[in-house]
Amino acid sequence: GENVEQHPSTLSVQEGDSAVIKCTYSDSASNYFPWYKQELGKRPQLIIDIRSNVGEKKDQRIAVTLNKTAKHFSLHITETQPEDSAVYFCAAGNTGNQFYFGTGTSLTVIP
Amino acid sequence: DTEVTQTPKHLVMGMTNKKSLKCEQHMGHRAMYWYKQKAKKPPELMFVYSYEKLSINESVPSRFSPECPNSSLLNLHLHALQPEDSALYLCASSRFGEYSNQPQHFGDGTRLSIL
Repeated sequence: GENVEQHPSTLSVQEGDSAVIKCTYSDSASNYFPWYKQELGKRPQLIIDIRSNVGEKKDQRIAVTLNKTAKHFSLHITETQPEDSAVYFCAAGNTGNQFYFGTGTSLTVIP
Repeated sequence: DTEVTQTPKHLVMGMTNKKSLKCEQHMGHRAMYWYKQKAKKPPELMFVYSYEKLSINESVPSRFSPECPNSSLLNLHLHALQPEDSALYLCASSRFGEYSNQPQHFGDGTRLSIL
């Protein structure tokens, strides 16, 4: 089965700085990579996703990059704001409607 | 507003009780999921229904019994749970992806406490 590793487990940045979270996966058949943001006591919310036929995708301050050869993908948040503070999960999946989640990164943006 | 609705939001039950968690979506999604999430951990997949048929069962104990009565509803029946089953139970739905996964939409979850 798929194994998704996520680093770092905790990340603190100053407001306005950039944050980068990295994930690696093991199954070369994985072709869909979503990122979820989960605030304390709330549901995971999809913030961005990327498919294996694309190397990079950007949505305002959030971008995701994918390196299929190396089997890793990263989340980049620029100009961080206090409301970006949350736990972020990466995930990987292919067919079968099954995802494998990373272990999560707790991001704190210091005002 | 969440497009996947879960009830109840909170549930406290004894180990001998029987209760059910409910999930509803009206987005026309044909894949629905149950996840269990412990504090500070990622969601753990329990069950996947595709076109109202159970397609994935991640070796979940039989005290958890899923049911998908129609394309909009998903239930999780609980019986004789253990204290370690206390967690946030999340429901999600997505379009059915034959060749590739589709984005999942999560409900707000049911916070379950077993006494």
